[in-house]
Amino acid sequence: DAGITQSPRHKVTETGTPVTLRCHQTENHRYMYWYRQDPGHGLRLIHYSYGVKDTDKGEVSDGYSVSRSKTEDFLLTLESATSSQTSVYFCAISERQGSYEQYFGPGTRLTVT
Amino acid sequence: AQSVTQLDSQVPVFEEAPVELRCNYSSSVSVYLFWYVQYPNQGLQLLLKYLSGSTLVESINGFEAEFNKSQTSFHLRKPSVHISDTAEYFCAVSDLSGGSNYKLTFGKGTLLTVNP
Repeated sequence: DAGITQSPRHKVTETGTPVTLRCHQTENHRYMYWYRQDPGHGLRLIHYSYGVKDTDKGEVSDGYSVSRSKTEDFLLTLESATSSQTSVYFCAISERQGSYEQYFGPGTRLTVT
Repeated sequence: AQSVTQLDSQVPVFEEAPVELRCNYSSSVSVYLFWYVQYPNQGLQLLLKYLSGSTLVESINGFEAEFNKSQTSFHLRKPSVHISDTAEYFCAVSDLSGGSNYKLTFGKGTLLTVNP
């Protein structure tokens, strides 16, 4: 299994509070991704990173920001959490040029009350 | 823009029966195709992939998928399923255009339920 951890694994927070989710990899992969998974929607890309300090938006980026100051860490921040951001969040990594395979972390279940 | 359609949201089958999970994609360029599996309360695991070469690809646990360029499909099949195959299956596509940054587009998933 690819060395990917996510923290926390579960979190309950209140509307309006800031939340930061962490993805940590030990594979030294260049690309990192944040997805959210919701019933009936599959996985949707929030943001991704193609190198340290290089990030870009995905299809559902509103309300989220990211940072990557080190190769191994990719942080996802909800500046002011809303109930619509209740979801399961997955981090993924990818490396080999021409491969396109992504390897996923175990996920973080976030509930915004 | 690429998109993926998984034609069935749920597929119930009996143990030892054959199964086909359907996936169609749309893209204006060449693509790589993937099937991922998600067991309950777990992350996604790569099941199999088509990058190039033979259009029939196989996984280690008996699944296979065939890339059909003319029909833009990548259906997943297994001749005889087990209870342990119960999971959600996701089809994904990545186009090979410059600037894609290795992004994947996922289908909405098919829940395969294998009953005794």
